[in-house]
Amino acid sequence: NAGVTQTPKFQVLKTGQSMTLQCAQDMNHNSMYWYRQDPGMGLRLIYYSASEGTTDKGEVPNGYNVSRLNKREFSLRLESAAPSQTSVYFCASRSPVHGGDWGNQPQHFGDGTRLSIL
Amino acid sequence: AQSVAQPEDQVNVAEGNPLTVKCTYSVSGNPYLFWYVQYPNRGLQFLLKYITGDNLVKGSYGFEAEFNKSQTSFHLKKPSALVSDSALYFCAVRDTGYNFNKFYFGSGTKLNVKP
Repeated sequence: NAGVTQTPKFQVLKTGQSMTLQCAQDMNHNSMYWYRQDPGMGLRLIYYSASEGTTDKGEVPNGYNVSRLNKREFSLRLESAAPSQTSVYFCASRSPVHGGDWGNQPQHFGDGTRLSIL
Repeated sequence: AQSVAQPEDQVNVAEGNPLTVKCTYSVSGNPYLFWYVQYPNRGLQFLLKYITGDNLVKGSYGFEAEFNKSQTSFHLKKPSALVSDSALYFCAVRDTGYNFNKFYFGSGTKLNVKP
């Protein structure tokens, strides 16, 4: 059971380059998330998708776009990378919106993508 | 918006001693609180959650957390620390109403357990 898979694990970009971070989950979860983790700042939500076909902004969406390709996959795109976007990016997913304890299930995280922008 | 604060960047404890990692919250409405642990170069792993009911919540790996409404706190505890508990710990709160799918994380507390 793979859980949440992120690719690539590491990447170095030059300022102005574009890149797409990939995320896939095999747990049939409806909700998916993208966070960035920076030292001393915890995790900050970039975008999330409550269910297939919907996306919403989080705390720090500027400079990013997302695509919920299908129920399994949720990608994060940097159109023109900037050094301030150097970070560790985490994808997460969560149990279905409806049914049972729908509001209170925890998130399941991938192992992250370490992105450096020079 | 909801928020959580972890006032300590780092906590040091000797193996075998009890440990506490602190978290305070600010929410409108009922709080839904979570603790996660992160080991080096890994994603976050769920430890436990408080939704409603008993103020003492038990979770994975022998951890528990005490919810205190009057002090707006949700501190993580373990009676006897292990060296293998050394990791980064995050407190999180779920948003309410229409934004129930959003979560806010604290800045994290690094736990060092020394032999």
